[in-house]
Amino acid sequence: NAGVTQTPKFQVLKTGQSMTLQCAQDMNHNSMYWYRQDPGMGLRLIYYSASEGTTDKGEVPNGYNVSRLNKREFSLRLESAAPSQTSVYFCASSETGNPNYGYTFGSGTRLTVV
Amino acid sequence: AQRVTQPEKLLSVFKGAPVELKCNYSYSGSPELFWYVQYSRQRLQLLLRHISRESIKGFTADLNKGETSFHLKKPFAQEEDSAMYYCALKGGSNSGYALNFGKGTSLLVTP
Repeated sequence: NAGVTQTPKFQVLKTGQSMTLQCAQDMNHNSMYWYRQDPGMGLRLIYYSASEGTTDKGEVPNGYNVSRLNKREFSLRLESAAPSQTSVYFCASSETGNPNYGYTFGSGTRLTVV
Repeated sequence: AQRVTQPEKLLSVFKGAPVELKCNYSYSGSPELFWYVQYSRQRLQLLLRHISRESIKGFTADLNKGETSFHLKKPFAQEEDSAMYYCALKGGSNSGYALNFGKGTSLLVTP
């Protein structure tokens, strides 16, 4: 029972390089989310996908793009990485139609941009 | 606007002492609140949700609408409770019901 799987776990990029962070869930959840975690800032929402085929901006979307490839997968792309994007990125999913729903988080991707 | 405030960045207590991690929120509707815990360099795990009124690992949290608070409490702290704790508020449909997190409180339990 994998839950939410993120790849890669670690990545170092040079300024200006691009990369895609992958996220997949096997719980048949409708909603998926990307957060970044920075010291002293908590978790901030980058983008979300309320259902397959839809994506919307969160609190800090600049410099990122997302794709909801299907119900299982939600990827986050950095087109031109900047040092300010050094962070830990977490993907999460939830079943919002369930009143007792909770979020399930992936194990995170630790990204360093030099 | 919805907001979650955790006033303490760091809380240090001795083993066996009571612990209270504070959380205050602002929300115009009926709030749905959660506590998440993150052990060192691990993923976030759901600790409590206010609608279930459960006790997990000895922790409890009561929603106080009058004081707009959802403080996390444990009567006797253990060393294994040392972790980062986040209070979170469920957003509305305009944010895909995303969780809005506080900045977190780092709990350190010393022997």
